[in-house]
Amino acid sequence: DTEVTQTPKHLVMGMTNKKSLKCEQHMGHRAMYWYKQKAKKPPELMFVYSYEKLSINESVPSRFSPECPNSSLLNLHLHALQPEDSALYLCASSHLGLAGGYNEQFFGPGTRLTVL
Amino acid sequence: AQTVTQSQPEMSVQEAETVTLSCTYDTSESDYYLFWYKQPPSRQMILVIRQEAYKQQNATENRFSVNFQKAAKSFSLKISDSQLGDAAMYFCASGNTGNQFYFGTGTSLTVIP
Repeated sequence: DTEVTQTPKHLVMGMTNKKSLKCEQHMGHRAMYWYKQKAKKPPELMFVYSYEKLSINESVPSRFSPECPNSSLLNLHLHALQPEDSALYLCASSHLGLAGGYNEQFFGPGTRLTVL
Repeated sequence: AQTVTQSQPEMSVQEAETVTLSCTYDTSESDYYLFWYKQPPSRQMILVIRQEAYKQQNATENRFSVNFQKAAKSFSLKISDSQLGDAAMYFCASGNTGNQFYFGTGTSLTVIP
């Protein structure tokens, strides 16, 4: 299985809602990532988990709360978002460091989030 | 830190022709990898090709090949026999031992029938 899955595909939420994005992989990768991508721009790194522990937080506002319940799952909890948070949210996974060979990241199809 | 620069925001190519997308990077790392990702309108990021920095031989994957010039810190992607399905945004990226990726700003490729 060389796939990263993300649910939901689309999400529309109001500024007072609480919602969660889910990401799953079964490739044995121990690094998982959340990216935010605006149209025609490169992905912007938000969070990195290594061995289920948060290793990188790129100064993301607290209205985004990541969670890694186990080595296969990654969640992103959303609360009190702003319209400017509307974007494509991409999840990715990879082996850790270079010891596992190529450390390319495998991306999921993304969740298209609209905040009203 | 690493930086990746793609100086061509948009490129176009006739179907069946060859096109080269440019990428330069800057890094102080001794161990790193370089990648080209493709993102079609569906927005799924797909790995096109990868290159280990310690290998001198240029990577190839079917119609895709790279020209890796380590001293010049250049990593260009050549697409041969371009097909309509090659139309997409192409991102150059570098990865280091810290498992961070650094993406370029992307090149939008149009394939003209």
